[in-house]
Amino acid sequence: SYVLTQPPSVSVAPGKTARITCGGNNIGSKSVHWYQQKPGQAPVLVIYYDSDRPSGIPERFSGSNSGNTATLTISRVEAGDEADYYCQVWDSSSDVVFGGGTKLTVL
Amino acid sequence: QVQLVQSGAEVKKPGSSVKVSCKASGGTFSSYAISWVRQAPGQGLEWMGRIIPILGIANYAQKFQGRVTITADKSTSTAYMELSSLRSEDTAVYYCARDRSGSYPYFDYWGQGTLVTVSS
Repeated sequence: SYVLTQPPSVSVAPGKTARITCGGNNIGSKSVHWYQQKPGQAPVLVIYYDSDRPSGIPERFSGSNSGNTATLTISRVEAGDEADYYCQVWDSSSDVVFGGGTKLTVL
Repeated sequence: QVQLVQSGAEVKKPGSSVKVSCKASGGTFSSYAISWVRQAPGQGLEWMGRIIPILGIANYAQKFQGRVTITADKSTSTAYMELSSLRSEDTAVYYCARDRSGSYPYFDYWGQGTLVTVSS
């Protein structure tokens, strides 16, 4: 089965840039989607197809994907960005796969 | 605006079954798939399966094969997820989500979640 690996936690100061990685075997050949989940709430799609943003998601959120690593980048981080972030792909053997999630802490 | 509204919290005994509903509004129900994703307390997201209402076809994650049944009623725009032979490890929040199925499916709208507690 296909495995996605995320760091358990990332910390960043307000106004700085946060980068959350998602590792997988040749993940660059797949499309990666990212979700933000705040405590007690349902996940929210923030990036799809590697780098597209749904309407209503700030331009501060961007994504990239190459080789064995996909990255969610949050520029000019705000306190309200503090949340868990999950990457997700589709794999022919596993269907939908989620990463383990990364807790973003805004210092 | 698409909305997915799920049924309320459930408390179940081990060995029993639970059926959670997900009513869609604001979109064309049959045009998309509906997936179910669960999240155990303090844990990550886990995909369980999906149904394509227009076809009435469901597929399931291998882990849940034989224990989960996903159905849909097009007349009421409602999807259902039934999980049987419940055990304590099935205690989780269960979400339905609109599944933009294609080559690379993703989930653009989510229900509010339904807490299922399995306890004797």
